[in-house]
Amino acid sequence: EDQVTQSPEALRLQEGESSSLNCSYTVSGLRGLFWYRQDPGKGPEFLFTLYSAGEEKEKERLKATLTKKESFLHITAPKPEDSATYLCAVLPASGGSYIPTFGRGTSLIVHP
Amino acid sequence: DVKVTQSSRYLVKRTGEKVFLECVQDMDHENMFWYRQDPGLGLRLIYFSYDVKMKEKGDIPEGYSVSREKKERFSLILESASTNQTSMYLCASSHDPVGNQPQHFGDGTRLSIL
Repeated sequence: EDQVTQSPEALRLQEGESSSLNCSYTVSGLRGLFWYRQDPGKGPEFLFTLYSAGEEKEKERLKATLTKKESFLHITAPKPEDSATYLCAVLPASGGSYIPTFGRGTSLIVHP
Repeated sequence: DVKVTQSSRYLVKRTGEKVFLECVQDMDHENMFWYRQDPGLGLRLIYFSYDVKMKEKGDIPEGYSVSREKKERFSLILESASTNQTSMYLCASSHDPVGNQPQHFGDGTRLSIL
């Protein structure tokens, strides 16, 4: 069974304190891995797609990286406005399904 | 930018009512999805559709049905609302001809069943 595990469940940082969120997956092959940001009371907002090990994507203070077993979302010098829940989703290669498997998310709070 | 619009941000209904949640996307996406999101349970797929008039059950279809009469619109129907259907409902769409594109979500409908 395909599984996606995000850690930690919750993370509190001081403004400017860099850290990383983890998304580990056990799927039979990978067609794509997606990162989303979700603010309270809103839908997930798409951030990045990663397709192959070694790939990296950046946007402002966020950088996503991918290995064969996990992805990291690095947050450099975070600001309070980066506070949100970050979701990871994986599209397995097998079965031809277009349905991604989502992790439970990491709730990030950045204190000023 | 992709725009997925859900008809209501907040909705309050009574048990036994038939409830309609509407979703429209403006990017000509083939695939549309309905999820519910509950604390501690994450996103759970209710139904999805690959094309007009086509629908497939997701992980938790019981008590729900869907309708897709036009490509841009995907409706979720609660046949007889119950209190355990109180939740955040999220619609998503994707253009995925090769099976590796992300979903794009609406802002959700917070549904309360009293």
